[in-house]
Amino acid sequence: GENVEQHPSTLSVQEGDSAVIKCTYSDSASNYFPWYKQELGKRPQLIIDIRSNVGEKKDQRIAVTLNKTAKHFSLHITETQPEDSAVYFCCSSGGYQKVTFGTGTKLQVIP
Amino acid sequence: NAGVMQNPRHLVRRRGQEARLRCSPMKGHSHVYWYRQLPEEGLKFMVYLQKENIIDESGMPKERFSAEFPKEGPSILRIQQVVRGDSAAYFCASSPSVWDIVVFEQYFGPGTRLTVT
Repeated sequence: GENVEQHPSTLSVQEGDSAVIKCTYSDSASNYFPWYKQELGKRPQLIIDIRSNVGEKKDQRIAVTLNKTAKHFSLHITETQPEDSAVYFCCSSGGYQKVTFGTGTKLQVIP
Repeated sequence: NAGVMQNPRHLVRRRGQEARLRCSPMKGHSHVYWYRQLPEEGLKFMVYLQKENIIDESGMPKERFSAEFPKEGPSILRIQQVVRGDSAAYFCASSPSVWDIVVFEQYFGPGTRLTVT
């Protein structure tokens, strides 16, 4: 089955700095890569996603990149704010709809 | 447009009892997924259902766990004879119809936090 690895497990940045989270996946059939943000005790919220026919996608301060050849994808958050503090999960999915979650990155933005 | 609804939000059961978790998908969504999250961990896929069909239950423990999504009413995840290790947050998600290999976003409910005493 699919295996998604995520690094780092924890990340502390100063407010205003950038944060980068990196993931790898194993199944070359995966074609959809969503990112979820989960605040303590809350549901995962989809923040951005990328499909395999695209190499990069940006939405305001958030960008994702995908390297299909290397099976790498990453999340970039610029100009971080305290409200960005949460756990972030990278995920992968094939046409089967089953989403495999990474192990999560706990991001702390220090004011 | 109401989001994915789950109830109860918190459920306490003694060892050996049954737990029933309910999930109502977003309006217009016909696909439901159940995930389990242990503290400090990611979500683990359990089962994927369409109306009256189980499509993929590869993540479901073979014993004590079952799921259904009837023609009418919510999807139900049932855990029989609960044990302490079943304590976790159980999230359901829903998505619109599947088109061949096109994958659609999954929207999550608020979760049910099950505590087994």
